[in-house]
Order: sequence, then C-alpha cells, then structure tokens
Amino acid sequence: EIVLTQSPAILSVSPGERASLSCRASQSIASNLAWYQQMPGQAPRLLIYGAVTRVTGIPARFSGSESGTEFTLTISSLQSEDFAVYYCQQYLNWPPWTFGQGTRVEIK
Amino acid sequence: QITLKESGPAAVKASETLTLTCSVSGFSLGDSGRGVGWIRQAPGKAPEWLALYFRDNDRRYTPSLRRRLTIYGDTSKNEVVLRLVNVDPGDTATYYCTYTPGGWSYNWGPGTLVTVSS
Repeated sequence: EIVLTQSPAILSVSPGERASLSCRASQSIASNLAWYQQMPGQAPRLLIYGAVTRVTGIPARFSGSESGTEFTLTISSLQSEDFAVYYCQQYLNWPPWTFGQGTRVEIK
Repeated sequence: QITLKESGPAAVKASETLTLTCSVSGFSLGDSGRGVGWIRQAPGKAPEWLALYFRDNDRRYTPSLRRRLTIYGDTSKNEVVLRLVNVDPGDTATYYCTYTPGGWSYNWGPGTLVTVSS
C-alpha cells in the first residue's frame, strides 16, 4: 500500500500570506495525485488532480506542483475561506487508493 | 450537473449489516469510465477508500475490508449500494459516495453519519 505523508500537521498562517503544504509518497506515483479541501462539517472538495490540474471554478491562488515523490499545494495569498483541512490522495493503482493524514491550515 | 446523495440508517448495532444507497443524477451508471465510489471518514480522521463501482463486471474493494464489503449498481434506479456486514464500533464514520471519473473524486455527496453501538 502506498503511504502518503503530509507535512506539517498544522500550519499557522496570517491572511494574505503564502502557504505551502507538502505530501510525500512512499513510492513513485507519477502524477496520480489529487488535493482536497475540507471545511468543518462538510464533504471534501476537489481542488487539484493530476498533481497540477486545477478544477474548474477553483481560484487561481491554488496551485499544485510535483518533484519526484514530493508534491506541494501552494495557496499564494490566504483568504479567510481557505482556513480548512487539506488532504492529498494518490490513485496510481487500485487497490487501494490512499489519502494522507491531512494538514490543518489555521489562522495565525 | 452531477449530484450524489447518500441514504441509510443513522445507527446500527454491532454484528449487524449496514446497507447504504447512493442516488446519482447527472449521468447514467455504466457509462464507460464513470465510477462511483464509497469513502468513509471516522471522526477526526482522514478519509478512507472502501469500494468502487464502474459496472457489474468491474467492482473494486479495499483489501482490508474485502470480505465484509459488497458494492453493486442498480441501473434502473441509477443507484449504487454498499453493504458492510458484521459491523463494529470501529465502523462508526461519515460515509460518502463520490463520482470518480479517473481516480480523483470530482463530486461528493453530503455524507451520512453512521454510528455503530455495541
């Protein structure tokens, strides 16, 4: 099973600042990685798939990048509605697809 | 517009069978490549993939729960059903169904919280 390790567990950021969230895979997954945002009490929302492709309607301040088995979600200028938990998920091969343990972005 | 909605019991007792239904609109089950998946999320934990349905001859399960899970589709109702047998309190979670066109979950239902009591 492919393990995804997200860091940091909690990221404290001031509004307007840049946030970088990391997701490291235990083996090569090519670009088979998605990022989700989850607000309290809501279902996750897809932000990025294919490691770098932003979903239609997602603000341009969200971007994804990759370098080998290291993936990064960057939020260029944090808005109040961006404070949430973010998960990465790999879908290289089933079974199974797996999620990281999440990064909580909180207001500094 | 694709929407999904989960339904099922809010509470079940240990050793019972949990049956959840996902009602899909906006596309037809069985369309090539259009998968419907079930994901659950225990309180305060990361989501966990359970099963995927593409068509009757293409159903996939997470290995750790394979012996307890069944997923199937009802194309006449455009529904996907998930059955989990012999539940225990560790199965307490919010269960989501998702539209999964290529590994990523593009659309999610609102989720249904299921509590398993001992």
